[in-house]
Amino acid sequence: GAGVSQSPSNKVTEKGKDVELRCDPISGHTALYWYRQRLGQGLEFLIYFQGNSAPDKSGLPSDRFSAERTGESVSTLTIQRTQQEDSAVYLCASSSWDSGNTIYFGEGSWLTVV
Amino acid sequence: AQTVTQSQPEMSVQEAETVTLSCTYDTSESNYYLFWYKQPPSRQMILVIRQEAYKQQNATENRFSVNFQKAAKSFSLKISDSQLGDTAMYFCASRGGYQKVTFGTGTKLQVIP
Repeated sequence: GAGVSQSPSNKVTEKGKDVELRCDPISGHTALYWYRQRLGQGLEFLIYFQGNSAPDKSGLPSDRFSAERTGESVSTLTIQRTQQEDSAVYLCASSSWDSGNTIYFGEGSWLTVV
Repeated sequence: AQTVTQSQPEMSVQEAETVTLSCTYDTSESNYYLFWYKQPPSRQMILVIRQEAYKQQNATENRFSVNFQKAAKSFSLKISDSQLGDTAMYFCASRGGYQKVTFGTGTKLQVIP
């Protein structure tokens, strides 16, 4: 696709439910990132995929959070047993050496846990 | 390991004036890239300007330019002729080799009419 696509754009869920957030990176981009951004805050790194290398999961805040990526395409971020503090925008980004390492962001998935 | 530091949490500037946002970084990579991103209230992250470390010439994009001081590991952003639409959060970022990109904590810029 032309840009990084994320779905859903908005998600309201009840505390304790599981949610899945999807990211379609730009075609051919080998690197993919997930970030969390709470209201008025900076970017909180969650996970980084680079090609076929083992992902860098050092930013995942708890074992309730996990992410998968199929080859160099779609990624899914899963949050289990959601808590109110999980409410945030979840941003996905992708990049490649061919694009001069520029990181392109999606519009984000707004998650509200009630 | 990489670090990016933005020491100005908030700044303001009068419309049509010039403002400079500071950023310092540290990296062990010899080949790396530096970026400034803008995040307006819409939350969409937009690339403002990009600098390749091996290029000595400072990058410019219309009203936006950088002052890249490699030895000092400094990468400041200058916005000339500030406009109301420049009001946003600005993030400095660094990426070297195949390491993940590292972002600073951001500077909130308010352009005052």
